[in-house]
Amino acid sequence: EIVLTQSPTTMAASPGEKVTLTCRASSSVSYMHWYQQRSGTSPKLWIYETSKLASGVPNRFSGSGSGTSYSLTINSMETEDAATYYCQQGSSYPDTFGAGTKLELK
Amino acid sequence: EIQLQESGPGLVKPSQSLSLTCSVTGYTITSGYDWSWIRKFPGNKMEWMGYISNSGSTNYNPSLKIRISITRDTSKNQFFLQLNSVTTEDTATYYCARAPYYFDYWGQGVMVTVSS
Repeated sequence: EIVLTQSPTTMAASPGEKVTLTCRASSSVSYMHWYQQRSGTSPKLWIYETSKLASGVPNRFSGSGSGTSYSLTINSMETEDAATYYCQQGSSYPDTFGAGTKLELK
Repeated sequence: EIQLQESGPGLVKPSQSLSLTCSVTGYTITSGYDWSWIRKFPGNKMEWMGYISNSGSTNYNPSLKIRISITRDTSKNQFFLQLNSVTTEDTATYYCARAPYYFDYWGQGVMVTVSS
């Protein structure tokens, strides 16, 4: 199965700061998908097919990448962005998830 | 609006079977998509467990293949998870979600503890 490695594991960002989260796949995948999960709630689809924002996601978020290296970028950190972000691939059986990056507000 | 809701016991004894229901409203599960079960372990690791397609075919994570079964009741617009011979390692929050390739609708999750 394809192993997804997210980095960093945890990070803190100040309001207004640019944030980049990384997801590396053990083998090439066609797309990467990202989820946001706040404490006590279920994961929400955040970015799909590498760069498409899910409904309601602010445009300060963006996604990019190809092959084995993908990233999620927040152009300007806001308070509400503090959450855990997971990457996921559905290109290769079985679907797999990364271990998550916990993004905190500094 | 599409909604998914999990239900089932929150406590299961080791060696017994875990059975959960996902009730779907706002979309008919035979109309399209795949209907998945995903679990999140303490410590945050997430695992895709398997799905039942809109046509009724199933596909499972190889790590669970001998223990898992996903079925459905189309008259109730529900699908089900059965996981056999559970151990404490199966303690997790279980989610149902709509697929394929990515999961665009999720239930709120149900926490299941395996303990005697």
